[in-house]
This record gives sequence, structure tokens and C-alpha cells, in this order.
Amino acid sequence: EDQVTQSPEALRLQEGESSSLNCSYTVSGLRGLFWYRQDPGKGPEFLFTLYSAGEEKEKERLKATLTKKESFLHITAPKPEDSATYLCAVIEYSSASKIIFGSGTRLSIRP
Amino acid sequence: KAGVTQTPRYLIKTRGQQVTLSCSPISGHRSVSWYQQTPGQGLQFLFEYFSETQRNKGNFPGRFSGRQFSNSRSEMNVSTLELGDSALYLCASSPESDGYTFGSGTRLTVV
Repeated sequence: EDQVTQSPEALRLQEGESSSLNCSYTVSGLRGLFWYRQDPGKGPEFLFTLYSAGEEKEKERLKATLTKKESFLHITAPKPEDSATYLCAVIEYSSASKIIFGSGTRLSIRP
Repeated sequence: KAGVTQTPRYLIKTRGQQVTLSCSPISGHRSVSWYQQTPGQGLQFLFEYFSETQRNKGNFPGRFSGRQFSNSRSEMNVSTLELGDSALYLCASSPESDGYTFGSGTRLTVV
């Protein structure tokens, strides 16, 4: 069964304390992996799409990487405004458009 | 440019009633997907429409249905509402089936 597992479930960091979020996936053929940020009461906000192992993408303090079995979202010197739930999702070739989401990591950055 | 617009933002319905939710995608986007988000199950795929045709469907009962119009606007209908249908319903649009942009969602409460 296709699965997306995110860890940790929750993470509390001090402002400026860098860390990484993990997303491991099990799909028959990965077409793409997405990272989203979601604030309370709002829809997910698109961050990155990764397509192949070895690919990396950066945006401000965030950097996403991809291997054949997992993806990492690295957060460098985070600020309180980076506090949110970060969601990982995959789409596989056979389903074409069905996205499978992980349960998310709740990130809290203390000033 | 305008984002994905979902209406209404909040809705309260009684068990047994039916409800229709609306989604206007980003101009030019032909793919519209619907998701249910609950604290216990996370984000779950309902269905996806592309050029007025349902292209993919998740594991939800037949009470959940949708359609897409020629202008790409989409509606989702839930009949015979149950308490467990209370959730945030999210719509996402994409030019094809990649880089999905989400709306802010409709918060449905069934009493």
C-alpha cells in the first residue's frame, strides 16, 4: 500500500536553531514529491516539487532534498514566522493525479 | 492573479441534509481536485476533474460526488450528511496535474 510517513509529529525549536523534517514514502513509481506549508484555518501553501533522487530546491530559509526513499526539509536559522504545519505529499505515475499526503510535522519556533 | 476561490467559507448543516460546495480554480487551470481534512485522518483525496471528466477518485462512499463545468469551476456535493463528514474541504487547481494550488477551504460542521 502506498504510504507517506512524516517525522517528527511535532518539533519545537528556538529561533535560529536549524533542523530537518523527514518524509519517507513507499510508492510503486514516484512521479513527484511536494512540500506544503499550512497555517491554522488556511489551505496548504505550495513550497516545492521534487521529481528525481538527488534533486534539491531552496527558498529563503528552506531547502528540500530527495532520495529514492525519503525527502528532507531543512530549515536554517528559523524565525517565529516559520511556525506552521509542514506537509509532504507524493504523486505516482499510475494514479496520474491522486496525491497522497503525510500527516504533517507541526513546527513551532520560539523567539 | 486571483487564487483558488472556495465558497462558502463556513457551513453548518444538520444530519441527513445535503450540501454543495463550490470551487473556482485559477484562470487557465483545467485540473481541479478535492480533499477532506480532519484532525484524525489528515488530508484525504476525494476526486479530481480535468476538462469536465472525473479522472481519479479516492476511497469515499458514493454520497460524495462532484462535477466540473466547461469554465473549469467545480462543485462537490455530499448527500445524507453524517456527523463524521464534519471537516475542512479543500479544493486545489493545477494547469495539468502538477504544482497544485489550494484554496482556503470550506469548513463544514454537521450537527
